[in-house]
Amino acid sequence: GQQVQQSPPASLVLQEGENAELQCTYSTTLNSMQWFYQRPGGRLVSLLYSPSWAEQRGGRLTSSAASNESRSSLHISSSQITDSGTYLCAMGLSGSFNKLTFGAGTRLAVCP
Amino acid sequence: EAAVTQSPRSKVAVTGGKVTLSCHQTNNHDYMYWYRQDTGHGLRLIHYSYVADSTEKGDIPDGYKASRPSQENFSLILELASLSQTAVYFCASSVGTDGNTLYFGEGSRLIVV
Repeated sequence: GQQVQQSPPASLVLQEGENAELQCTYSTTLNSMQWFYQRPGGRLVSLLYSPSWAEQRGGRLTSSAASNESRSSLHISSSQITDSGTYLCAMGLSGSFNKLTFGAGTRLAVCP
Repeated sequence: EAAVTQSPRSKVAVTGGKVTLSCHQTNNHDYMYWYRQDTGHGLRLIHYSYVADSTEKGDIPDGYKASRPSQENFSLILELASLSQTAVYFCASSVGTDGNTLYFGEGSRLIVV
């Protein structure tokens, strides 16, 4: 089946104010991507969604994608302590009722 | 803000016992989903539903049943809980197909002993 790999794997530690880039690669051709944020023990909240591989922006967050390279990235600029948590990417198949395949997530810790 | 609520938030169950996880959404969404999350793994789809009184199998349906008695409610049922079903379970809803974003509940932590 489809597989989604995230990097950095497991965890990333930043100093407050630094920028971060998280990446997601997938094993098959997919048609949409979403990035989610999850606090420890909390619900997933959608950050950015792209149905057509267009670049998406939301405040300090930007997602970009290269479908021909089977890869998408989430850029976090000027990181803040409150950005700490787990970031998960999910890829979707067109016309598949939002059947998403999730990556395992990258845990981000932003330190003062 | 879309609202998806789950109950119970936490439960300890005995192996072989029956467990029911409930989900309620006030978003007027047609689609509802049950995912499980295991430490170090992403979410995996168990069951989903796009209309009341109908459910569909996801990627890992074995050992689980689902029930959608109304548009607002979607339950996940473990008839015979097993140790391997220890996980955090998330319910989600969405407007429709093909890429609408998902709105998740807070999760239900299940420990089977």
